[in-house]
Amino acid sequence: QSALTQPASVSGSPGQSITISCTGTSSDVGGYNYVSWYQQHPGKAPKLMIYEVSNRPSGVSNRFSGSKSGNTASLTISGLQAEDEADYYCSSYTSSSTLEKVFGGGTKLTVL
Amino acid sequence: QVQLVQSGSELKKPGASVKVSCKASGYTFTSYAMNWVRQAPGQGLEWMGWINTNTGNPTYAQGFTGRFVFSLDTSVSTAYLQISSLKAEDTAVYYCARDLYSYGHTPLGYWGQGTLVTVSS
Repeated sequence: QSALTQPASVSGSPGQSITISCTGTSSDVGGYNYVSWYQQHPGKAPKLMIYEVSNRPSGVSNRFSGSKSGNTASLTISGLQAEDEADYYCSSYTSSSTLEKVFGGGTKLTVL
Repeated sequence: QVQLVQSGSELKKPGASVKVSCKASGYTFTSYAMNWVRQAPGQGLEWMGWINTNTGNPTYAQGFTGRFVFSLDTSVSTAYLQISSLKAEDTAVYYCARDLYSYGHTPLGYWGQGTLVTVSS
């Protein structure tokens, strides 16, 4: 069982917006602004899409945005495109004594 | 540009050892920590730990102590992951991933292409 909870799947039509949630605790998501989101296409390495809750690395489309409220972080993708179909993972710094980074279980985004 | 190039796929028998390499280029190797991430077939990402590329000091996540060893050869800008006493459940893709920046609680900004390790008799 992953430390952070994500929905197993979400879907949307081209042009629509979708939101993926990531729920943790006050020891990780809720306690720090160190939430990241990664996109992974089949057979490929993950790619950083959002860091520190809402920052986009250079080169990432502004259709991707992040936010956080309490112990839940969210990734929103607007203007869905076929190429956005992928797995998305959230991650957070954690103050657990046995971990420093934790991942969510991943969410499969299907573009209908 | 930052590049992390990992060694090729491995097929090993239970009980054997494997060493995965991750060669870095495009930046000063000793300025950024290197992480290792495991992904079992059809499963999610699991953070294994990281190694301080300046001091060589490794930190292992729970579940990755004992049989897992992170090491470096700074002369060739390469990080290594060695797994001993391999078990079937070690079958996975292993990624190296560089911290995005050189301080604080940084995300994983650059990733290697992954190395598939298959453990089967």
